[in-house]
Amino acid sequence: EDKVVQSPLSLVVHEGDTVTLNCSYEVTNFRSLLWYKQEKKAPTFLFMLTSSGIEKKSGRLSSILDKKELSSILNITATQTGDSAIYLCAVPFIYGQNFVFGPGTRLSVLP
Amino acid sequence: GAVVSQHPSRVICKSGTSVKIECRSLDFQATTMFWYRQFPKQSLMLMATSNEGSKATYEQGVEKDKFLINHASLTLSTLTVTSAHPEDSSFYICSARLTNSQETQYFGPGTRLLVL
Repeated sequence: EDKVVQSPLSLVVHEGDTVTLNCSYEVTNFRSLLWYKQEKKAPTFLFMLTSSGIEKKSGRLSSILDKKELSSILNITATQTGDSAIYLCAVPFIYGQNFVFGPGTRLSVLP
Repeated sequence: GAVVSQHPSRVICKSGTSVKIECRSLDFQATTMFWYRQFPKQSLMLMATSNEGSKATYEQGVEKDKFLINHASLTLSTLTVTSAHPEDSSFYICSARLTNSQETQYFGPGTRLLVL
């Protein structure tokens, strides 16, 4: 059965800290892994990863895929209170169809 | 680019009434749209996959006669919650896949439904 696991499920840090969020997957015919950020409304797209070892970066956020370990990490450096959100990892398991979502990591950044 | 809208953003209705939620891809055509439901502090649960011009594919446990999905054009899919009950109260989110994109889905802002 295809599944996506995220850890930790919840994380509380202070502004300025660096955090690493983990996502591991078991999916047949893996093609890509996506990270989303969800605040009060619907998820917003962060990264799509398809190649192992190539880091994708956007400002203070970066992510990398390890196909050998069937996992990905999302790093956030110098966290800000605006980074507080649920971070979702998703893997498509049928081409062009729906995702398998992980449970999400709830990140709280305290001032 | 890749903007998805939903309407309404919030709706309150009486038990027994039907509610229609619209999902539109504003600047791209989407042959496939997805409808999700999200309960508080939980991840997204896929309800159905909506394909333009054909019947939706429902996930196990989702009643197709209760959650009617129509995907009449490449930019619009609708979800109708029929005979709504308080347990249908939830956050409903749609997403759309770029026709020429393999995987990325773009999400609408969501619709919060409260059934009294």
